[in-house]
Amino acid sequence: DTGVSQDPRHKITKRGQNVTFRCDPISEHNRLYWYRQTLGQGPEFLTYFQNEAQLEKSRLLSDRFSAERPKGSFSTLEIQRTEQGDSAMYLCASSQPLRRAVTDTQYFGPGTRLTVL
Amino acid sequence: ILNVEQSPQSLHVQEGDSTNFTCSFPSSNFYALHWYRWETAKSPEALFVMTLNGDEKKKGRISATLNTKEGYSYLYIKGSQPEDSATYLCASNTGNQFYFGTGTSLTVIP
Repeated sequence: DTGVSQDPRHKITKRGQNVTFRCDPISEHNRLYWYRQTLGQGPEFLTYFQNEAQLEKSRLLSDRFSAERPKGSFSTLEIQRTEQGDSAMYLCASSQPLRRAVTDTQYFGPGTRLTVL
Repeated sequence: ILNVEQSPQSLHVQEGDSTNFTCSFPSSNFYALHWYRWETAKSPEALFVMTLNGDEKKKGRISATLNTKEGYSYLYIKGSQPEDSATYLCASNTGNQFYFGTGTSLTVIP
C-alpha cells in the first residue's frame, strides 16, 4: 500500500502526559499537512510542511504542540502535557502539486484518534 | 479563519433517489474548492477540485458545480446507492491552507 499511513491509529493517555504521532506520506509528495478534527466539526488546519520546512502554523497550535519533518519524508506531531481538550482525531495529508497547477489534491491518512483521560 | 458552511448537516435518502448538498464559502481570496468523501473507518477520499467560476466536474453518478462569484458549490448524487453512504466534506483552499466545512452525513437506505 503506497498511501499515507499514520501511527498509532488509537492512543489513550492520561492528562499531563506527552504523546507523539507519526505520519508517513506518499513517497514522492513534498507537502505534508496536519489537521485536527473534533466531534461534529470538519478538519481544522494545524500546520503544513514543504519538504522539511514548516511554512505555516495555525494559531490553534499552542506552544504545547510541535511538529517536525526532519528529512522531508515522515513527520511527527508531539503534544506535551496533554489536556482533555486535546482529545480528537489527528489527520495527516500529503500532496505533490504539479508544475503550473493552480492547486493540488491532498491524500489523507486514516488518522490517529487521541483520547485524554 | 475562513467560514465554510455545509448543508444539510445530515441526510437520509432511499436507494435510487437523487440528492444534492451545498457548500458555502467566502468568495474573497478564493483559490480552489475541494470535495472529499469520508467513509467510516477510512481515510477521506478526494472527489473533485474546482477553481473556475462555472466549473462542473463529474465522476460516475457524482457531479459538482462551482459558483465563485456568490461563493457556493453543489454536489449531486444521481441514483443514490448504499455504498454512497459517507460524510461529504468540502474545503476552500486559499493557497497554503485548507478550510473545511463540517460535512454532510449521507445515509442511503436500501
